[in-house]
Amino acid sequence: NAGVMQNPRHLVRRRGQEARLRCSPMKGHSHVYWYRQLPEEGLKFMVYLQKENIIDESGMPKERFSAEFPKEGPSILRIQQVVRGDSAAYFCASSPVGGGTEAFFGQGTRLTVV
Amino acid sequence: ELKVEQNPLFLSMQEGKNYTIYCNYSTTSDRLYWYRQDPGKSLESLFVLLSNGAVKQEGRLMASLDTKARLSTLHITAAVHDLSATYFCAASPLGETSGSRLTFGEGTQLTVNP
Repeated sequence: NAGVMQNPRHLVRRRGQEARLRCSPMKGHSHVYWYRQLPEEGLKFMVYLQKENIIDESGMPKERFSAEFPKEGPSILRIQQVVRGDSAAYFCASSPVGGGTEAFFGQGTRLTVV
Repeated sequence: ELKVEQNPLFLSMQEGKNYTIYCNYSTTSDRLYWYRQDPGKSLESLFVLLSNGAVKQEGRLMASLDTKARLSTLHITAAVHDLSATYFCAASPLGETSGSRLTFGEGTQLTVNP
């Protein structure tokens, strides 16, 4: 049973480009969480999704950021018109149900904006 | 809103010594997690604490939970260099829309010196 798979592991984008980060949850998991870790900081919650639904996006910046988890395929975190301050590690976690269970983390995508 | 605070944020200790990392959280939570993160790596789950008085031990690490005081501790016994890493505690907020979402502390950067 493969763990949570994120790709790419490293992503370099120029200012103004778009970044797409992918997360395939563990088999049997239908709940996905995205977190951002700025350098030398802890992880900050961004968004919680079930398939085809956004449950909680209270941690998402209001502009340029969006997330989806389609019926088929991975969850996508999309950052439009990236700026240097978007440089961070983005982690995805998945859980089988909505609460009361542990979520498992992927290896993360390290985004560098140049 | 759930807040999680750790202290100390930086800890430098000698091999063979004992120390404790503290984690306070602000509102009722149904579970408390401890993670280890090595530089540039993902999170490694160490402990999940579910109930008041819970104590778990793995090797030189022992975690405990006091839900009345809203306090968890991570105790390190006879530290060795291999324990050098950043340690995070995280709490899961209660609420129907929270799922397995986590609120993280700032992390404790532990350095064990020979």
